[in-house]
Amino acid sequence: NAGVTQTPKFQVLKTGQSMTLQCAQDMNHNSMYWYRQDPGMGLRLIYYSASEGTTDKGEVPNGYNVSRLNKREFSLRLESAAPSQTSVYFCASRVAEATDTQYFGPGTRLTVL
Amino acid sequence: GENVEQHPSTLSVQEGDSAVIKCTYSDSASNYFPWYKQELGKGPQLIIDIRSNVGEKKDQRIAVTLNKTAKHFSLHITETQPEDSAVYFCAASMSAAGNTGKLIFGQGTTLQVKP
Repeated sequence: NAGVTQTPKFQVLKTGQSMTLQCAQDMNHNSMYWYRQDPGMGLRLIYYSASEGTTDKGEVPNGYNVSRLNKREFSLRLESAAPSQTSVYFCASRVAEATDTQYFGPGTRLTVL
Repeated sequence: GENVEQHPSTLSVQEGDSAVIKCTYSDSASNYFPWYKQELGKGPQLIIDIRSNVGEKKDQRIAVTLNKTAKHFSLHITETQPEDSAVYFCAASMSAAGNTGKLIFGQGTTLQVKP
């Protein structure tokens, strides 16, 4: 099992450009999450998908959109990147009914110039 | 909504000493409290968790204690080793059947264990 995988690992964008961060899990988990990590602020939830076909906003959803493509994949889209979106982005997944444990991917480091 | 405060932000100890990291939470409905370890360049990894019906949980050199009345919980690492050096995050959540599993994280503690 690869667990939770994220692509790309690194990305540099110019202000106003768009991009999609990809996340996939092979653990047959029901719930998936997108977090951003900024220095001194811990991890903050952007969006989550409690189950296939549903998505909901987290703490900091502005400027982002998500798509739960299928049970395995959950993508995060920046339509018009801003320097404030410079961050490390983590995807996580959880079985949901059996346990609360969330498993995290390796992260995507995004810089917006 | 829930708010989690974590202290200290940095902690430096000698190898073999103990390390304690403390967190407080605001929502009395929270009942699940995990601790994550994040090594440089990697994603967070769960190291131990505790639920509100338990006051203490131990796993080898790490332990977590929970005080529901005071709404705080702590991570204790004994006999620290250089490989314990990492960033540690606490988090809080409401655990219940059909819940969303949303975690609210503390700000993180950078632990340095000096050989």
